[in-house]
Amino acid sequence: GAGVSQSPRYKVAKRGQDVALRCDPISGHVSLFWYQQALGQGPEFLTYFQNEAQLDKSGLPSDRFFAERPEGSVSTLKIQRTQQEDSAVYLCASSLGENTEAFFGQGTRLTVV
Amino acid sequence: AQSVTQLGSHVSVSEGALVLLRCNYSSSVPPYLFWYVQYPNQGLQLLLKYTSAATLVKGINGFEAEFKKSETSFHLTKPSAHMSDAAEYFCAVSVDSGGSNYKLTFGKGTLLTVNP
Repeated sequence: GAGVSQSPRYKVAKRGQDVALRCDPISGHVSLFWYQQALGQGPEFLTYFQNEAQLDKSGLPSDRFFAERPEGSVSTLKIQRTQQEDSAVYLCASSLGENTEAFFGQGTRLTVV
Repeated sequence: AQSVTQLGSHVSVSEGALVLLRCNYSSSVPPYLFWYVQYPNQGLQLLLKYTSAATLVKGINGFEAEFKKSETSFHLTKPSAHMSDAAEYFCAVSVDSGGSNYKLTFGKGTLLTVNP
């Protein structure tokens, strides 16, 4: 596709429910990033993939958060047993390499009720 | 660890007026600095970046920013605001760590409104 595509755009989850957020990066982009943007805040780094390898997961806030990119293209961010504090916009970005411009998707807005 | 402070969560200007959005950074090593723009319900778009070349960086849509090491600043300016510039602007920093500089640390953002 022309840009980074994220789905769903909006997700409402009941507290305790598991959710899965999908990211389709730009074709051929090796690097993929996930960021969390809480209301009124700047994005915060969650995790980084180079192809299928998760090289940095230092930003994942708890063991309820899990990300994967099994074939080096599409990535899924999974949140187990969602809590209200997980409510945020989750942004995915991809780039040709780790030191090149990152292109961001529109994000998935997660609301936990 | 590096950090970014954006002074002013909301800036309002008149159409045609100068735009000045402030950003100060903290980093123990030479930083890479970025400005991103976010329109409602859209992803972040890179406006410009500083990567240790020229200190005055020109970006898209007529924006520019100047890296001032002595002031640890990277303020964003545009001589004449357009209505279409209304958006949220984020300053971000990354540093070189073992040859990699992929991790962006963002400020909290500045919402720019442009009045007719």
